[in-house]
Amino acid sequence: DAGVIQSPRHEVTEMGQEVTLRCKPISGHDYLFWYRQTMMRGLELLIYFNNNVPIDDSGMPEDRFSAKMPNASFSTLKIQPSEPRDSAVYFCASSFTNGNTIYFGEGSWLTVV
Amino acid sequence: GQQLNQSPQSMFIQEGEDVSMNCTSSSIFNTWLWYKQDPGEGPVLLIALYKAGELTSNGRLTAQFGITRKDSFLNISASIPSDVGIYFCAGPAPQGGSEKLVFGKGTKLTVNP
Repeated sequence: DAGVIQSPRHEVTEMGQEVTLRCKPISGHDYLFWYRQTMMRGLELLIYFNNNVPIDDSGMPEDRFSAKMPNASFSTLKIQPSEPRDSAVYFCASSFTNGNTIYFGEGSWLTVV
Repeated sequence: GQQLNQSPQSMFIQEGEDVSMNCTSSSIFNTWLWYKQDPGEGPVLLIALYKAGELTSNGRLTAQFGITRKDSFLNISASIPSDVGIYFCAGPAPQGGSEKLVFGKGTKLTVNP
């Protein structure tokens, strides 16, 4: 079975540019999570969805970040405009209803220069 | 926000040695999860613990749910080079739904052949 699929795997962009990260969750999972990983702060939950509806976006750092889930098989995380401090690995993850066993994608490694 | 404190931050061991690491919290958790992140990959669930005092094994890995419900331990016996990676503890955020996980900052394990 395919796991959580993220794209791009790696992106290098210039400060001020728009960045769009994409995620396809595991089929049948009703929860989708976006995490950010940095050396300083570890794994941080940015936002999560249940049945395509955003449930908690309290981890989204600021208005430059936005996330959407137009259908059960696709989600995007957008940063506009990007800044060097946004450089991190962004993970998408999905799970069934109780969410205890969440499955992570391989991550999108973002560098903003 | 809720923090999970992991120790040690990093470990350098020789192949064949046993490894112990732990995770503590100031709040009670009803579930403890241990994930491993290989270099360049997303975290993968190793062991899930659901009951205070529970001791669960997965191959050479053994994890325990502390009786106070504020800590958990992970042991790896007879380490091998492929054990290299970052080990994270995680649990449902006390202030959130069970699907919202918080993660420790990880224990980075290096195994010298």
